[in-house]
Amino acid sequence: KAGVTQTPRYLIKTRGQQVTLSCSPISGHRSVSWYQQTPGQGLQFLFEYFSETQRNKGNFPGRFSGRQFSNSRSEMNVSTLELGDSALYLCASSLRRGLSDVITDTQYFGPGTRLTVL
Amino acid sequence: AQRVTQPEKLLSVFKGAPVELKCNYSYSGSPELFWYVQYSRQRLQLLLRHISRESIKGFTADLNKGETSFHLKKPFAQEEDSAMYYCALSGGYQKVTFGTGTKLQVIP
Repeated sequence: KAGVTQTPRYLIKTRGQQVTLSCSPISGHRSVSWYQQTPGQGLQFLFEYFSETQRNKGNFPGRFSGRQFSNSRSEMNVSTLELGDSALYLCASSLRRGLSDVITDTQYFGPGTRLTVL
Repeated sequence: AQRVTQPEKLLSVFKGAPVELKCNYSYSGSPELFWYVQYSRQRLQLLLRHISRESIKGFTADLNKGETSFHLKKPFAQEEDSAMYYCALSGGYQKVTFGTGTKLQVIP
């Protein structure tokens, strides 16, 4: 089955601009999580979407937002870009059968979108 | 709050030597612990999780609640084990906290 795909793979933006990244999960997966990966901080959790609603949120400012569509595809938006937003943005999909599903399923990662802010 | 600490950024071992990648966590409840691995030019992928109690590619990890640790071990390192290893913790409901990772370098 096809893996998680992310588009675009590379982006170069300037400070103050906004950017939208896209993630298509594995077919049948209903949960999509987003992470920011930097050399200094490692992988940091941004948010998780399930059934078109944000269910979990990390400690990032409101400039970072996302959404999920009915087909489980997800987008992440960063507004008013800052130099420090330069990073690899990873999305991961997992099964997550329902809201009451406590067990955290295996996450399947995409290749990432490399964002450079100049 | 969930926290994962991987104290070593880089671990170099010779081929055939034992490997132990350290992971300590902080969490007040009953955590789910994972090890993820990223080989060169590949995606991050699950190596093992504590509830499965599996041995994958010769690696094992035991959850020690007393010491709040989940160290990854392998008795004999192989060159193909060279990769970036991340320990991760979840309190459930798909919220996962990753450590900063340890680069394992196996010297031939």
